[in-house]
Amino acid sequence: GENVEQHPSTLSVQEGDSAVIKCTYSDSASNYFPWYKQELGKRPQLIIDIRSNVGEKKDQRIAVTLNKTAKHFSLHITETQPEDSAVYFCAAHSGGSYIPTFGRGTSLIVHP
Amino acid sequence: GAGVSQSPRYKVAKRGQDVALRCDPISGHVSLFWYQQALGQGPEFLTYFQNEAQLDKSGLPSDRFFAERPEGSVSTLKIQRTQQEDSAVYLCASSLASGRDTQYFGPGTRLTVL
Repeated sequence: GENVEQHPSTLSVQEGDSAVIKCTYSDSASNYFPWYKQELGKRPQLIIDIRSNVGEKKDQRIAVTLNKTAKHFSLHITETQPEDSAVYFCAAHSGGSYIPTFGRGTSLIVHP
Repeated sequence: GAGVSQSPRYKVAKRGQDVALRCDPISGHVSLFWYQQALGQGPEFLTYFQNEAQLDKSGLPSDRFFAERPEGSVSTLKIQRTQQEDSAVYLCASSLASGRDTQYFGPGTRLTVL
């Protein structure tokens, strides 16, 4: 089955800095990669996703890059703000399975 | 429009009690997932429905866990004879069509077994 590794587990940055979270996956058939933001005690919310037919996608301060050859994808947040503080989860959906495999999460702390 | 809702939001059970957790998906969403999320971890898959059909229950940790979606909308996750290790947040998610579409999560039910 699919295995997703996520790093780092904790990331602390100053307001205005950039933050990068990386995930690797094992199943080369995976073709859909969503990122979720989960604030304390709240539901996971989709913030951006990418499919395997593109290499990069941007939405304002958030971008995701995908390297299919190396089987890794990354979340980039620029000009971080305190309200970006949350746990971020990556996930991979295998082409042959509807079951997403989640990473273990990255706790992002943005210091004002 | 209304998102995915779950009830109750919090449940405290004594060990050995049965519990039932409810999920109301987004109207018209075909696919419904249940996940278990332990503290500090990502969601772990439990089971998947497409309409009323339970297509995959491979993630259910034991035969004490049972899920149903009899009319293809509301779903119930039942846990019999709860154990302390069942304490977790149980998340429900729905997607419009196939399980490979974007999933929308509910707020979860936090189950604490004493």
